[in-house]
Amino acid sequence: DAGVTQSPTHLIKTRGQQVTLRCSPKSGHDTVSWYQQALGQGPQFIFQYYEEEERQRGNFPDRFSGHQFPNYSSELNVNALLLGDSALYLCASSWGGASGTQYFGPGTRLTVL
Amino acid sequence: AQTVTQSQPEMSVQEAETVTLSCTYDTSENNYYLFWYKQPPSRQMILVIRQEAYKQQNATENRFSVNFQKAAKSFSLKISDSQLGDTAMYFCAFMFLWRGSQGNLIFGKGTKLSVKP
Repeated sequence: DAGVTQSPTHLIKTRGQQVTLRCSPKSGHDTVSWYQQALGQGPQFIFQYYEEEERQRGNFPDRFSGHQFPNYSSELNVNALLLGDSALYLCASSWGGASGTQYFGPGTRLTVL
Repeated sequence: AQTVTQSQPEMSVQEAETVTLSCTYDTSENNYYLFWYKQPPSRQMILVIRQEAYKQQNATENRFSVNFQKAAKSFSLKISDSQLGDTAMYFCAFMFLWRGSQGNLIFGKGTKLSVKP
């Protein structure tokens, strides 16, 4: 049973560019949550997708947007990249019920120059 | 707003000994979940243990156990018979229920645990 997968593993962008990160959930999971983890910090919640809709959103600007596809995979898009967007981006999948535990992928390391 | 505090930025323990990591949280919610995740240098966030707030019994998973004190809003992790592979950042996390469904995870800043041979 494959776990949560993310692509790419790492990438380098320059300020002002746009980036798309991808996540495939664990088999049987229908909910995807995205987190940003700055160096030396705990992850911060960006947003959560369920049934192809954004169900919850954290305190991130509109430059951060996402999408969930019918197969439950998800994308995170960041526009107009800033140096401060450099971080590890983690995707977590879960079953959408109240007791769903979130399982994480290996993350995408984004460096903005 | 919910907050999670881990007051020990770094800890070390000798192999085969026992160590306890502390976590406190602040919430006005009554129904929630608490988790410990570990993040080794490979950076993959791995679930260690989970506790439902409505359960009085402390959760255990092999060498890992928690001491959940709901009134004190305390949730510590005990690692018995520490192994070199336990070396990692450990994050305490809180999740409330949002409109009857799972909410997002709120993480502490982490405790860096080093297991020494």
